[in-house]
Amino acid sequence: DAGITQSPRHKVTETGTPVTLRCHQTENHRYMYWYRQDPGHGLRLIHYSYGVKDTDKGEVSDGYSVSRSKTEDFLLTLESATSSQTSVYFCAISDSLDTTTNEKLFFGSGTQLSVL
Amino acid sequence: EDKVVQSPLSLVVHEGDTVTLNCSYEVTNFRSLLWYKQEKKAPTFLFMLTSSGIEKKSGRLSSILDKKELFSILNITATQTGDSAVYLCAVESNAGGTSYGKLTFGQGTILTVHP
Repeated sequence: DAGITQSPRHKVTETGTPVTLRCHQTENHRYMYWYRQDPGHGLRLIHYSYGVKDTDKGEVSDGYSVSRSKTEDFLLTLESATSSQTSVYFCAISDSLDTTTNEKLFFGSGTQLSVL
Repeated sequence: EDKVVQSPLSLVVHEGDTVTLNCSYEVTNFRSLLWYKQEKKAPTFLFMLTSSGIEKKSGRLSSILDKKELFSILNITATQTGDSAVYLCAVESNAGGTSYGKLTFGQGTILTVHP
């Protein structure tokens, strides 16, 4: 199994507070991703990273920011949490070493975030 | 906008039944189609399909891709209660100027297998 650890596993917070979720990998993979999963929507990409300090937006990036200062860590920050950001958040990494090969994501166990 | 649609959204069967899950897609610059199984936590990888008509098989699970008709099916034969899960289909497209393959997921099919 890919070595991916997400923390915290569960979090309850209040509207308007900042929240940071952490993803840590031990695989030295270049690509890291943050997805959210909601009923009826499947998994949707928030942000992704293709290297240290190299990040870009996904399809649902509003209200989120990310940082990657080390290969192994990818942080997702909700600057001011809203109830619509209540979701399950998954971090994923890719074992593709070459951008011309196909992606095969490995997922972390998820963080259940509730914004009250 | 890329789109992936799975059907049915949910399915209830009994052990020993055979099931077929469907995934249709509309994406720009298709690269591959992937199937994942999600039990209580993280999705786990099942198959990656890139070429039409070539069946991928793993035990009782098999999958095939039709790039002309833009769909894939996932078959599970002799189902067991351990097959109960959400099955996710994702399509990878070439995001143009960016250097990664973008994955678009379907909503998933919830499969419940009763003893």
